[in-house]
Amino acid sequence: QKEVEQNSGPLSVPEGAIASLNCTYSDRGSQSFFWYRQYSGKSPELIMFIYSNGDKEDGRFTAQLNKASQYVSLLIRDSQPSDSATYLCAVNSGDGMRFGAGTRLTVKP
Amino acid sequence: SQTIHQWPATLVQPVGSPLSLECTVEGTSNPNLYWYRQAAGRGLQLLFYSVGIGQISSEVPQNLSASRPQDRQFILSSKKLLLSDSGFYLCAWAPLEGIREQYFGPGTRLTVT
Repeated sequence: QKEVEQNSGPLSVPEGAIASLNCTYSDRGSQSFFWYRQYSGKSPELIMFIYSNGDKEDGRFTAQLNKASQYVSLLIRDSQPSDSATYLCAVNSGDGMRFGAGTRLTVKP
Repeated sequence: SQTIHQWPATLVQPVGSPLSLECTVEGTSNPNLYWYRQAAGRGLQLLFYSVGIGQISSEVPQNLSASRPQDRQFILSSKKLLLSDSGFYLCAWAPLEGIREQYFGPGTRLTVT
């Protein structure tokens, strides 16, 4: 069974801190990796994708990929209360996208 | 730019009643289309996906069905709803090429009473 695992949280960080969200996947053939943000009651919104080992930065967000360890992470710098949401990790193995159950992040003012 | 619409936004239906949810995409051609269900506090469950008109693949056997009568229209249906069908229904589209990232519509919140 191909799986995507995330810590459900909640993860609580103070405003201005770095939030670190982690995801592991079981399928070594996975090709591309995505992070979605889902506010309560809303649909998921794509915030980043990565497909090469290393880091990819977009504003306050950095996605990190380590294919050897089958690990992908999302760092949020200078966290804001508006970042409070559930973050979904998704992995595309070529035969479809698989989603983790999400990590709930709370940024406290 | 591409836009994805879903309606209705919310729906309350009695057990045993029929269901029809609609999803349309604008600004792209030949998208892959997907229906997901998200139960309260849970992850996304893929229900159906489609790579073209009339081509539907089902991921989970259940009392739901899907159809794609036009390139950018995807419909989710049921003849008789069950209590367990309650949830947040999400339609998504993905481009045919590239990394096939998925973009979600606003969703339909269905409550079966």
